[in-house]
Amino acid sequence: IVMTQTPLSLSVTPGQPASISCKSSQSLLYSDGKTYLYWYVQKSGYPPQPLIYEVSNRYSGVPDRFRGSGSGTDFTLKISRVEAEDVGTYYCMQTRQLRTFGPGTKVDVK
Amino acid sequence: QVQLQESGPGLVKPSETLSLTCSVSGDSISNDDYVWSWIRQPPGKGLEWIGYIVDNGNSRNNPSLGSRVILSLDKANNQVSLELTSLTAADTAVYYCARDSLYYHGDTVSLLAFDIWGQGTMVTVSS
Repeated sequence: IVMTQTPLSLSVTPGQPASISCKSSQSLLYSDGKTYLYWYVQKSGYPPQPLIYEVSNRYSGVPDRFRGSGSGTDFTLKISRVEAEDVGTYYCMQTRQLRTFGPGTKVDVK
Repeated sequence: QVQLQESGPGLVKPSETLSLTCSVSGDSISNDDYVWSWIRQPPGKGLEWIGYIVDNGNSRNNPSLGSRVILSLDKANNQVSLELTSLTAADTAVYYCARDSLYYHGDTVSLLAFDIWGQGTMVTVSS
């Protein structure tokens, strides 16, 4: 399964919203009724951190300004109000068949 | 809390085999609610999943790496190991280990993929 993301880079004014799109080459809906799409953020010099699991659920400790949505092959990560600490590269990933990451979206603040 | 720590040689020669270890502290790798993966990231590039292994020793690899990848569990030492054969310069990367866990809530179970990561270890392939 091939994952694509748009845009590949994004510059956002603090306090403004941001949105990243992720598309998969095949549906990520599994026979158990769940959709296996995840989001991670990697800040410079650190390993990735988990944000969202199964499309729309936040991992423990993730602020509620991060929201995931979508279904089938089209997904979105939205940050309601970007903060300076949100700078990093955001990756979507599927676990429907093995694991595949998207190319990443680099987010910086103006 | 659970911590993962990768270790291995920082420099290996082309055509040789890379051996990396992920030492797990704070929990047992024998817990069958866990899946252990290796992921790599070439300098300045994105993330590539290498493969995963489960408690019973079954593993799956990224088809792009084929049979070059060997994963194993050392339960006595609570470690997860990666061997990558026939190295080329394209294998130069930061190598991470990461854990999946199953989250039981109500009558459902969720997959928390890559909920914990190691800090990564840089590997350079060069003669």
